[in-house]
Order: sequence, then C-alpha cells, then structure tokens
Amino acid sequence: GEKVEQHESTLSVREGDSAVINCTYTDTASSYFPWYKQEAGKSLHFVIDIRSNVDRKQSQRLIVLLDKKAKRFSLHITATQPEDSAIYFCAARYGNEKITFGAGTKLTIKP
Amino acid sequence: EAAVTQSPRSKVAVTGGKVTLSCHQTNNHDYMYWYRQDTGHGLRLIHYSYVADSTEKGDIPDGYKASRPSQENFSLILELASLSQTAVYFCASSPQSDTLYFGEGSRLIVV
Repeated sequence: GEKVEQHESTLSVREGDSAVINCTYTDTASSYFPWYKQEAGKSLHFVIDIRSNVDRKQSQRLIVLLDKKAKRFSLHITATQPEDSAIYFCAARYGNEKITFGAGTKLTIKP
Repeated sequence: EAAVTQSPRSKVAVTGGKVTLSCHQTNNHDYMYWYRQDTGHGLRLIHYSYVADSTEKGDIPDGYKASRPSQENFSLILELASLSQTAVYFCASSPQSDTLYFGEGSRLIVV
C-alpha cells in the first residue's frame, strides 16, 4: 500500500516567518493530497488539499506544492502567527478510497 | 450543524474484554473511516466503509472488526482487547473519499 513520509517531526519558526513541511509518497497512482491540522488535545481538521492535475494551490496564507515526478508535496505557511502552532499531517489517497497519513509535524511559532 | 460524534470519549478496558467504539454522522456522507493515533505514527487506517452493510479492511485491520448498519453509524469492535490497542481512535466521514470530517476521538486504555 501507499506510504507517506513526513520529513520534519518538529519545526520551530519565528512569528512572521514562513514554515515549510515536506512529505513524500510511494504510490505513483495517488491523486489526492490533503493536509490536516491538530491543535493540542483536539481532533483533526482539514486545512488545504491539492489534486494531481495541478502543481500549486493557495488558500490565504497556505500554499501547497506538488512535484509528481519526485513524488513530493509540501505545505508552506507564510507570515506565521501564534495560532498556527499545531501538529500538521500530510496524507495521500490511493486506490480511490484509502487515505494514508504521515506521522505528523509539530510546528511551534516562537514570538 | 453536521457533525461526527463518537462514543465513548474515553474508556478503560480489561485485557481480553470486548470493546465497541461507536460513531454517528449527520453529514449524509457515504464514506466512513476508523483510524488509530499513536505517538510517532500519525494516523493509521483500520477499517472503512463506503456503503451501509459493507466494510473494507484498511492498513492495520488485525484485531479489529467493523460494522456499518446504516449510513449514519459505523462501529469499531475489539473482540479481545490487548495492551497494544491502547490508543486514541478517530472516526471520520467523507462525501467522496476526499475531505475527511473527524469526530472528537475516543481514548482507549487497555489494562
């Protein structure tokens, strides 16, 4: 099955700087790549996604890049704010139904 | 408001006992998923379903059964709970196997 590797287990950036989280996947047939955010002690909620027919998507301060040749995708958070502190999970859908998650990146925004 | 609700939110079970985790959604979604979260492993897919009365195995189905008696309800059953099944369990629903809407999670401790 699909394996998703999330390269940064922890990341710390200064408020106002950009944060980048990188993920790689193994199944070339994967076509959908969502990102989720989990605040401390809470559940996960969707933040942004990208499909394999595009290589860039932006939603306000969030940018997702997809490199299908390298089987790599990344989440860029610009102008970071304290409320961006959380665990971020990347994921990939394969076989049209199964969604596999990475191990998560704990992002800390320093004042 | 559409939602995914899980019960119980927390449970202590005895090794060898039976545990049932329940999930109810009001999103009118076809897809439902059960994941477990362990520190350092992200979320791992246990079972999922895309229609009532049918379930599919995820990536780590051993030791778990699932039941989908209706579109709204999806249960995860541990027939013989083991220490290794101590984890936080998340249920999610999805309209088309894309964006996942998560419940609040069920913390299971097996002693």
